[in-house]
Amino acid sequence: ETGVTQTPRHLVMGMTNKKSLKCEQHLGHNAMYWYKQSAKKPLELMFVYNFKEQTENNSVPSRFSPECPNSSHLFLHLHTLQPEDSALYLCASSQATGSSNTEAFFGQGTRLTVV
Amino acid sequence: AQKITQTQPGMFVQEKEAVTLDCTYDTSDPSYGLFWYKQPSSGEMIFLIYQGSYDQQNATEGRYSLNFQKARKSANLVISASQLGDSAMYFCAMRPYTGGFKTIFGAGTRLFVKA
Repeated sequence: ETGVTQTPRHLVMGMTNKKSLKCEQHLGHNAMYWYKQSAKKPLELMFVYNFKEQTENNSVPSRFSPECPNSSHLFLHLHTLQPEDSALYLCASSQATGSSNTEAFFGQGTRLTVV
Repeated sequence: AQKITQTQPGMFVQEKEAVTLDCTYDTSDPSYGLFWYKQPSSGEMIFLIYQGSYDQQNATEGRYSLNFQKARKSANLVISASQLGDSAMYFCAMRPYTGGFKTIFGAGTRLFVKA
């Protein structure tokens, strides 16, 4: 079992659908993150949760709605997405510290295709 | 502005040889952390190595070493004795001390190891 698990691994959805991405970490971390990885673009930080509280929202459109019910689980609820939202969505976790020496551990990502 | 630059979109290396992946960064923070991650085709981002801005010695982790030149703001990754399994995308990342949980990633370098 990997430290950070994401489901589903692949998702194809229509623009009018509602779906959710799930992330679960088994590392005892208290900070969790959503990143978006588009082709030929650097990894983009979307949201950060620290002890279940959202501490960062990088101007993400409201069609992406995160939820963090506890320190081990993180969701990304999707609705009325656009084709340009097709990307690899990566979840990560780390120790809950703002110091600069904390590495993040990533899941394998959900490959999302919006049709 | 905080920025990571990886100028090599793709690199080839012969198996068992060493290879250097370039990374330069820009930050006004006096304290920051530098990271390298590996992303195989499976999608998961795997943490490789960390270097703190105040560390006196270059970081090493097995076959990975980080050539840190603070005055030049460069943090190149050196992989010694390349293996076929090293073929992957490699990302340089930086977390400024004042950035909280915000880690900035470069665009990545795709490494191909030839048999």
